[in-house]
Amino acid sequence: DAGVIQSPRHEVTEMGQEVTLRCKPISGHNSLFWYRQTMMRGLELLIYFNNNVPIDDSGMPEDRFSAKMPNASFSTLKIQPSEPRDSAVYFCASSKPGQPYEQYFGPGTRLTVT
Amino acid sequence: AQSVAQPEDQVNVAEGNPLTVKCTYSVSGNPYLFWYVQYPNRGLQFLLKYITGDNLVKGSYGFEAEFNKSQTSFHLKKPSALVSDSALYFCAVRDKGGGADGLTFGKGTHLIIQP
Repeated sequence: DAGVIQSPRHEVTEMGQEVTLRCKPISGHNSLFWYRQTMMRGLELLIYFNNNVPIDDSGMPEDRFSAKMPNASFSTLKIQPSEPRDSAVYFCASSKPGQPYEQYFGPGTRLTVT
Repeated sequence: AQSVAQPEDQVNVAEGNPLTVKCTYSVSGNPYLFWYVQYPNRGLQFLLKYITGDNLVKGSYGFEAEFNKSQTSFHLKKPSALVSDSALYFCAVRDKGGGADGLTFGKGTHLIIQP
């Protein structure tokens, strides 16, 4: 099993640019979660999907953030326009049907906005 | 609302000694409780969970955790620490009665095992 795959692993961009983070969940998993990790705020849930449908996006910081899951094997998190305070590590996680709390995390994308 | 507190930013233990990483939680109902571990430059890995049943839960790599309802705690323990246990540990909670499936994580505790 390849595990959760995230790309890119590192992203450096300038303020105002659009950033797209990508995630491929583990095959057969039906829930997908996007988290953000910073030193100040720890690990925060941004949004999660169940069967490709967004269930809870209350953690999305503002309208600059959007997430999609067009099919069971792919999700994107987009930031437009990006700001320096968006610098963080963004994790994607997935879980099996019936076990949403045993989440399998990807390696993360380290985003730096200058 | 649900919340998790990990009161120690860092715990230092000598190799071979027992270790404890503390966690307390707050939920409106009954909790689901979890421990995850994060190694440098890696995503979080699931260690163990408490859903129901025995208060002492055993997990991966020889770790265990004890659910204490009266103290609203779920401390992570291991009888004999290894240097390879050095990592960042996260406690997480979810209210059983909650409508959402998202977990609330603590801020994490750095565990450092000294040879």
